[in-house]
Amino acid sequence: GENVEQHPSTLSVQEGDSAVIKCTYSDSASNYFPWYKQELGKGPQLIIDIRSNVGEKKDQRIAVTLNKTAKHFSLHITETQPEDSAVYFCAAVYGGSQGNLIFGKGTKLSVKP
Amino acid sequence: DAGITQSPRHKVTETGTPVTLRCHQTENHRYMYWYRQDPGHGLRLIHYSYGVKDTDKGEVSDGYSVSRSKTEDFLLTLESATSSQTSVYFCAISAHDRVRSGNTIYFGEGSWLTVV
Repeated sequence: GENVEQHPSTLSVQEGDSAVIKCTYSDSASNYFPWYKQELGKGPQLIIDIRSNVGEKKDQRIAVTLNKTAKHFSLHITETQPEDSAVYFCAAVYGGSQGNLIFGKGTKLSVKP
Repeated sequence: DAGITQSPRHKVTETGTPVTLRCHQTENHRYMYWYRQDPGHGLRLIHYSYGVKDTDKGEVSDGYSVSRSKTEDFLLTLESATSSQTSVYFCAISAHDRVRSGNTIYFGEGSWLTVV
């Protein structure tokens, strides 16, 4: 069945360094790929997303790249700050549906001051 | 803020008892979802709704039922709670986002359920 693999499961960086989280997906029909940030005790918050008609999207310090041929997409955070510490989830819409998402298992990012 | 309210936010219940979680939205969105989140599994879809009285199963629907009698409320019911249903439950809605030029999924703050 449809699947989203996310790596790494944990990531520790120094403040100011860059962080990269990678995801692969199995459903070639997927056309929407959001990224969520989840802080402890809270719901996932959408931070950036990309649709299949573009290869890269940026929003200040975060960017997402998409390679539809290889079926993988990545989140890039530059100049990391302690407040970037959280769990990040990638997701892909599947089955051509309205919005049923399959999620990766998450990456716990720790930014050390 | 997507105008989603979940209740209760925390609940402890005994095995075998029925439990209902409520999701309330204020912005008339058509699509609503229930996900559960467990360590090592991420977020998994339980059920979703695409309109009043229109619902469908997700990936992990066994042991759960849902109802949507009005647009603003989507109820998740555990008919007879089991310990394996101890989890964090998130409601979500799909909303058209002009900035993002398409529909996006927004989550509520979660309901922590413990079945003892």
